[in-house]
Formats: sequence, structure tokens, C-alpha cells
Amino acid sequence: NAGVTQTPKFRILKIGQSMTLQCAQDMNHNYMYWYRQDPGMGLKLIYYSVGAGITDKGEVPNGYNVSRSTTEDFPLRLELAAPSQTSVYFCASRPSETEAFFGQGTRLTVV
Amino acid sequence: QKEVEQNSGPLSVPEGAIASLNCTYSDRVSQSFFWYRQYSGKSPELIMSIYSNGDKEDGRFTAQLNKASQYVSLLIRDSQPSDSATYLCAVNIRAYRGSTLGRLYFGRGTQLTVWP
Repeated sequence: NAGVTQTPKFRILKIGQSMTLQCAQDMNHNYMYWYRQDPGMGLKLIYYSVGAGITDKGEVPNGYNVSRSTTEDFPLRLELAAPSQTSVYFCASRPSETEAFFGQGTRLTVV
Repeated sequence: QKEVEQNSGPLSVPEGAIASLNCTYSDRVSQSFFWYRQYSGKSPELIMSIYSNGDKEDGRFTAQLNKASQYVSLLIRDSQPSDSATYLCAVNIRAYRGSTLGRLYFGRGTQLTVWP
């Protein structure tokens, strides 16, 4: 049972480049989340989804986009990467308003 | 007021002591509360969930919830060096009045060090 899988694990981007962080879960969870974590800080919610075709903004959505075309996948798109987007990104999923399960994270550096 | 606030820390306790971690939240209708532990460089992992007022015990961990005061805490008894980590409080928050509690917000975390 893979759980929540994030790819890639590490990435270096140049300023202005774009990329997609992938997240897939095999637990048939309805709810999925993207967070970023800066050094010494907690998790800040970027976007979330309560089901296929439904997405909504979290605390820090600017500079990011998401889509949810299937229950399993919830990709996060970064357009025009900026140094302020250097962070560790976590994807999580849960069946409803219960505990969330996390992926292993993606460490992104924008230079 | 931030949606979820934790006592700032860092917190340092000797081995065998009780560590007390606190969290307050802003949304009065929140129903689900979680404590996660995160080791450096790792993903958060669930320690406790609590949904009703009162205490919930699981081994050396006790979560306490007071919805009237919008307060949730975590006690770690007989603290061990392996408990040294960052502890994150998480709460379901409404996006707006009348919406679901789909947003899962985290506090800033409290870094705990247990010294031998």
C-alpha cells in the first residue's frame, strides 16, 4: 500500500521557470491538501480539494494553481517560480474531516 | 487572531518529566483536533486525534479538549529523548460561515527537546 506519493523529492528551479509537483494517493480519499513548510515554521495551507472537480484556496495560494480531475491525483502547478517559493511542499489526503496522511515531501529550491 | 496558535516554545524538559503542549483555535464550530509529531527532515505523523470534550489517553500521551475555551493540549508523560521533535496542532476550520470544515489548518509547532 503506497499511501500518498509525491514526486519529485528534490528539485532546483531557476527564477521564472514553471513546474508541476505531483501527488497521488491510492486510499480512495476524497480530501487532498497541499502545504508548504518554511524553516522553523508550521504547515501553511496552499490549496485543498474535497473531491474530484472541487478545489479551493487556503492561506497562501498566490503563485500556485491546482486541479483535481480524478480522486487519486492532485497536482500543484508553480508558474513563474520566485525565490519566495523555496520551501518544502507536503501533500496530504484523508477520507473526510478525520486524520490526514502525508507524503514524503518535495524540497524545492528556486535560484 | 490566527486560526490555530501554539505556545511558542522551544520547550526543554529532562527525561522522565511531563511535557505540556498547548493550542488554541479560532473557529467555534470546529469538531476535530489532531496532534502530529514531526522529526527533522521528515513528514508529520499523527499522534492523537480528539473529537469530544475531556481527556483522551493513549500510552504516554494524553490529549485534552475544551471546546468552550477553544483550547486543546497534549501531555507527554515520562518523556524520552526519542520524543524530541516538533509537535504540530491541527484543527478543521470552515472556509466561510456555513461551509464544511474541510480546511485543515496547522499551528506553527512547538519544538520539544528531552535531555537525558
